[in-house]
Amino acid sequence: EIVLTQSPATLSLSPGERATLSCRASQSVSSYLAWYQQKPGQAPRLLIYDASNRATGIPARFSGSGSGTDFTLTISSLEPEDFAVYYCQQRSNWPPVFTFGPGTKVDIK
Amino acid sequence: QVQLVQSGAEVKKPGASVKVSCKASGYTFTGYYMHWVRQAPGQGLEWMGRINPNSGGTNYAQKFQGRVTMTRDTSISTAYMELSRLRSDDTAVYYCAAQETWGQGTLVTVSS
Repeated sequence: EIVLTQSPATLSLSPGERATLSCRASQSVSSYLAWYQQKPGQAPRLLIYDASNRATGIPARFSGSGSGTDFTLTISSLEPEDFAVYYCQQRSNWPPVFTFGPGTKVDIK
Repeated sequence: QVQLVQSGAEVKKPGASVKVSCKASGYTFTGYYMHWVRQAPGQGLEWMGRINPNSGGTNYAQKFQGRVTMTRDTSISTAYMELSRLRSDDTAVYYCAAQETWGQGTLVTVSS
């Protein structure tokens, strides 16, 4: 079973700063990696799919990169509404499993 | 617009079963897998499984094999997730998700 680890667990930044979040898989997931944002009391929101494709309506300040085992979500300049928890998720073809990472909390410094 | 509307909160006793529904609108229900994800209080996201609404075929996370059943009714564009032999650690918000859209979540509380 593929395990995802995310680092750091918490990222304390100020609005306007750049955020770099990491997701590492225990074995290659090719480009089958997605990123989600979740705010308190809300359902998760898909940001990035297939490692680098922005989902519908996602601002350009969000970008994803990586392949294989190492992936990065970058928020180029944090807006106040970006302070949230971010999860990565991989999908494997067989058996079909969609595992989430433990999450990175981005909070206000 | 694409929308997933879930059934309301449930309170169940240990050992009971719960069935959560998820009604889809705004897209072709049979065209996209429906996934179920849960989140225990203060914890992360946990994928439970998915159903192909067209064929009814399912894939479950190993952790839930034997306890979860996902079904659908294409006539009303609704998917269902039933979890049996509930324990206190099944207390969580249960979400359905399809395409890029998530339901609002259903809180299931398991308590004696």
